[in-house]
Amino acid sequence: ETGVTQTPRHLVMGMTNKKSLKCEQHLGHNAMYWYKQSAKKPLELMFVYSLEERVENNSVPSRFSPECPNSSHLFLHLHTLQPEDSALYLCASSQAVEDTQYFGPGTRLTVL
Amino acid sequence: AQSVSQHNHHVILSEAASLELGCNYSYGGTVNLFWYVQYPGQHLQLLLKYFSGDPLVKGIKGFEAEFIKSKFSFNLRKPSVQWSDTAEYFCAVSPSGAGSYQLTFGKGTKLSVIP
Repeated sequence: ETGVTQTPRHLVMGMTNKKSLKCEQHLGHNAMYWYKQSAKKPLELMFVYSLEERVENNSVPSRFSPECPNSSHLFLHLHTLQPEDSALYLCASSQAVEDTQYFGPGTRLTVL
Repeated sequence: AQSVSQHNHHVILSEAASLELGCNYSYGGTVNLFWYVQYPGQHLQLLLKYFSGDPLVKGIKGFEAEFIKSKFSFNLRKPSVQWSDTAEYFCAVSPSGAGSYQLTFGKGTKLSVIP
């Protein structure tokens, strides 16, 4: 059981498609995160939001566009992705940015 | 920037064997340290964490980890593993204070426990 949910759990898309990943946290947290987990590489922090404001963008290509409409929801909008973007995308949340992060189950993305 | 090294990619143990998974980090300042676990088909879960104080930290399910500052290490231990401990274990580090959300993970160690 997790307080952080992600949809969809699996996504296959072409390079010209536009899709969005959704994350929702039910923990009353104020900070949310996107991570990328590629095969044989460590988890990489992509974006950090605190109180709906972006506080970190770790040199992520512009084809990934995050959106945080409120403290419970986080989106990752995808467009014109490349096959090397295929990975597991994890969402996390924490009470504040300095607190322990709790992770969702991830979305397995395949780009054809 | 910080980095984390987990030396063992895959560890295979029999039930009741003792476990120690290595984790070393590099960072010039004070750090927060974490071990996360991912059981098959489940999400990443926090096993234990160290922020300050007693360097021997006890976590859930009988796990513990010891922070040795001089060795930049935070090894995970369990005296007697069970088949249900089969999972992938990730060590992570973040700076203390400003930027503490910058979690850097190791590549993970897969643990297989044979009944």
